[in-house]
Amino acid sequence: GAGVSQSPRYKVAKRGQDVALRCDPISGHVSLFWYQQALGQGPEFLTYFQNEAQLDKSGLPSDRFFAERPEGSVSTLKIQRTQQEDSAVYLCASSPLLANTGELFFGEGSRLTVL
Amino acid sequence: EDQVTQSPEALRLQEGESSSLNCSYTVSGLRGLFWYRQDPGKGPEFLFTLYSAGEEKEKERLKATLTKKESFLHITAPKPEDSATYLCAVQAGGNKLVFGAGTILRVKS
Repeated sequence: GAGVSQSPRYKVAKRGQDVALRCDPISGHVSLFWYQQALGQGPEFLTYFQNEAQLDKSGLPSDRFFAERPEGSVSTLKIQRTQQEDSAVYLCASSPLLANTGELFFGEGSRLTVL
Repeated sequence: EDQVTQSPEALRLQEGESSSLNCSYTVSGLRGLFWYRQDPGKGPEFLFTLYSAGEEKEKERLKATLTKKESFLHITAPKPEDSATYLCAVQAGGNKLVFGAGTILRVKS
């Protein structure tokens, strides 16, 4: 497809398990963002990549969260030792531009439920 | 700290009943204000970018306006397919967007 693809769409994890969420951005998009959206809230910034470089990770809530984009295309968000407060929808967005103009193309998200 | 507050939290309209959604913001050095639409179970979809006070953008039944402290999303003669959550976001320094909590719009036929 031509859009941003995220997998899995739904993930249920037991507290303490590690999870990995994948994002396939639109081909050729250099900028990639991860956002976290809690129920009833707006998305909150987690991290930003320009090609393979992680230029901003100021929004990652703890050192249990780790993101990578090794070849400047597909990105993975990893959450170690999941906690109940990690339950949320994780949104990936991409942009064809180096600088963020605010016009982002979002995927449908990965909904994580931690029991 | 950059903040975005949207009101009302929810809005119910009859088809054809025009109204406005509000987005108030506090940011140092606004680089842009953005409106997105989000349908249930989907990611946000970009609608508009506004850069400076007095600017207006239109798309079909939607018109976005910007002042120095707030933005309005005007919906003229809405249809049921306009039902969605409308998100406002601001960009100050850096590449991140700061989003409000959104306004849930329901348009009944």
